[in-house]
Amino acid sequence: GAVVSQHPSWVICKSGTSVKIECRSLDFQATTMFWYRQFPKQSLMLMATSNEGSKATYEQGVEKDKFLINHASLTLSTLTVTSAHPEDSSFYICSARDRLAGGAGELFFGEGSRLTVL
Amino acid sequence: AQRVTQPEKLLSVFKGAPVELKCNYSYSGSPELFWYVQYSRQRLQLLLRHISRESIKGFTADLNKGETSFHLKKPFAQEEDSAMYYCALSGPAGTASKLTFGTGTRLQVTL
Repeated sequence: GAVVSQHPSWVICKSGTSVKIECRSLDFQATTMFWYRQFPKQSLMLMATSNEGSKATYEQGVEKDKFLINHASLTLSTLTVTSAHPEDSSFYICSARDRLAGGAGELFFGEGSRLTVL
Repeated sequence: AQRVTQPEKLLSVFKGAPVELKCNYSYSGSPELFWYVQYSRQRLQLLLRHISRESIKGFTADLNKGETSFHLKKPFAQEEDSAMYYCALSGPAGTASKLTFGTGTRLQVTL
């Protein structure tokens, strides 16, 4: 199957700093990528839909100025957690669908990025 | 609003016993339903989707629109089935709409 890769897989930062997480589709192109957040022992909560070449669509309750999303190419979306605080500590997961498969294509998930804010 | 409910956080069964992981949903329209699995230290991966109507690793799931359910079943559990299972829902097939996940059920298969 297709591969979605996230980097870094684990990051620790100080409170007040910004952290960037990358999501890459390695062997396919994706016009849309999705960013999820997962708290320990809880489900995945969709944060936003990243659209190539245009603004991301954020879910209700997600601060777009806090979680900046950029989808500059068909293989890369980035999530930047700005001015991170301990409550932002979480597991962030991205997913993507091959644009050639259309809307019926399978969603492939990255391995996740664990953010710890001290 | 679309919603997925998995009532059990943990399901523990003996090897060889039947398994049923429950999933109920609410959606105004014709959704597409999925089961995703996450094995220990691995990424989330698709197990099956209702439109495929296929059996994967011995698992099946039937969409029951009357009961708004999509329970995952396997007649004989294996140790390697131990994992976290998530039921998920999206809009009609082909619409590329977002996925909404349930809270997940951890399946533990013991000898």
